[in-house]
Amino acid sequence: DAGVTQSPTHLIKTRGQQVTLRCSPKSGHDTVSWYQQALGQGPQFIFQYYEEEERQRGNFPDRFSGHQFPNYSSELNVNALLLGDSALYLCASSSGQGLEQYFGPGTRLTVT
Amino acid sequence: RKEVEQDPGPFNVPEGATVAFNCTYSNSASQSFFWYRQDCRKEPKLLMSVYSSGNEDGRFTAQLNRASQYISLLIRDSKLSDSATYLCVVNHGSYIPTFGRGTSLIVHP
Repeated sequence: DAGVTQSPTHLIKTRGQQVTLRCSPKSGHDTVSWYQQALGQGPQFIFQYYEEEERQRGNFPDRFSGHQFPNYSSELNVNALLLGDSALYLCASSSGQGLEQYFGPGTRLTVT
Repeated sequence: RKEVEQDPGPFNVPEGATVAFNCTYSNSASQSFFWYRQDCRKEPKLLMSVYSSGNEDGRFTAQLNRASQYISLLIRDSKLSDSATYLCVVNHGSYIPTFGRGTSLIVHP
């Protein structure tokens, strides 16, 4: 039973560039949430996708956007990267309205 | 006041000790609560849900105190492998879970 997978594992980008991160949910899960975790902090909720639509959004600017595909996988896009966007980006999956989430290993993004 | 607050620690305890962490939340309408464990540079992993009646899983006990708006995690007979950061999560009726910053536990021989 495959767990949550994310790609890439590490990424280095320059300020102003754009980045796309990918996530495949755990088998049987249809909901994907994205989080940003800065060093020494807890994960901060970015948004959640269910049935290919953004269901909820946290306090993040429009530079952060996403998409969910019919197979439930998801992408997180960040435009106009800032140094402060450097963080671990975590994807979590769950089933329907289930609140128990399973996290992927994350993508560590460094913006220089 | 932050929505979810945790003492960052670290809590430094010897093997075999009992240790407890609290997590306070500000929204009295909060409905569901969880504890996650996160090892260094790894993803969070669900440790346990926290039910109104409290729940126990082996050496771990989680409790909810709605009147005082906090949840707790008790670890008995600490093992070296329990060393990690423990994150509490609170949901208040939306799909937006709020994580605390985590409490660091170090279990030493």
